[in-house]
Amino acid sequence: DPKIIQKPKYLVAVTGSEKILICEQYLGHNAMYWYRQSAKKPLEFMFSYSYQKLMDNQTASSRFQPQSSKKNHLDLQITALKPDDSATYFCASSGTGGVYEQYFGPGTRLTVL
Amino acid sequence: GDSVTQTEGQVALSEEDFLTIHCNYSASGYPTLFWYVQYPGEGPQLLFRASRDKEKGSSRGFEATYDKGTTSFHLRKASVQESDSAVYYCALSADSNYQLIWGSGTKLIIKP
Repeated sequence: DPKIIQKPKYLVAVTGSEKILICEQYLGHNAMYWYRQSAKKPLEFMFSYSYQKLMDNQTASSRFQPQSSKKNHLDLQITALKPDDSATYFCASSGTGGVYEQYFGPGTRLTVL
Repeated sequence: GDSVTQTEGQVALSEEDFLTIHCNYSASGYPTLFWYVQYPGEGPQLLFRASRDKEKGSSRGFEATYDKGTTSFHLRKASVQESDSAVYYCALSADSNYQLIWGSGTKLIIKP
């Protein structure tokens, strides 16, 4: 069974619209993360949450807003979409209180037309 | 701030060649070092980690030794296979901080 679920797997949106990317983890972790990976570019850290609180935000734009409705959920709302937002978005999770590896979901590939 | 440097953006080898991917880090304290692998269409997954000077991490024929003196954690494999084609990321986690600092990744291409 998948331990980190991301929905949808593929998403096509029009410029200016708003979308929500879903992430649920069933690993019992207290820390969750969002990363972005554009075509042929390295992994780019966006946000980290611990116990449903924002710990770090490396995203310059306020158009990207994480939402944590439950301990094991961290969704990503993106507003006023632009073609440059086209990328694969990965959710990850880890333990806290020490050094833990991060486990990644399969990603959501977003295309903005 | 802490950082990880991978000098090779891409490495192209033939099957059975020896692989080295360089990773150097800069961090205060005593970080834990990781190697992750990302296959096409998937999220990154952990290869292995090391937490102490001279500790060797290894998995699936890949290995790296934590070297505090040279601040390095180079990835090596004696004989690569086509199935090793992927992007490899070096990362570190600094003391008392569970967030990871990532290198820019190295794409390994195995030539037919």
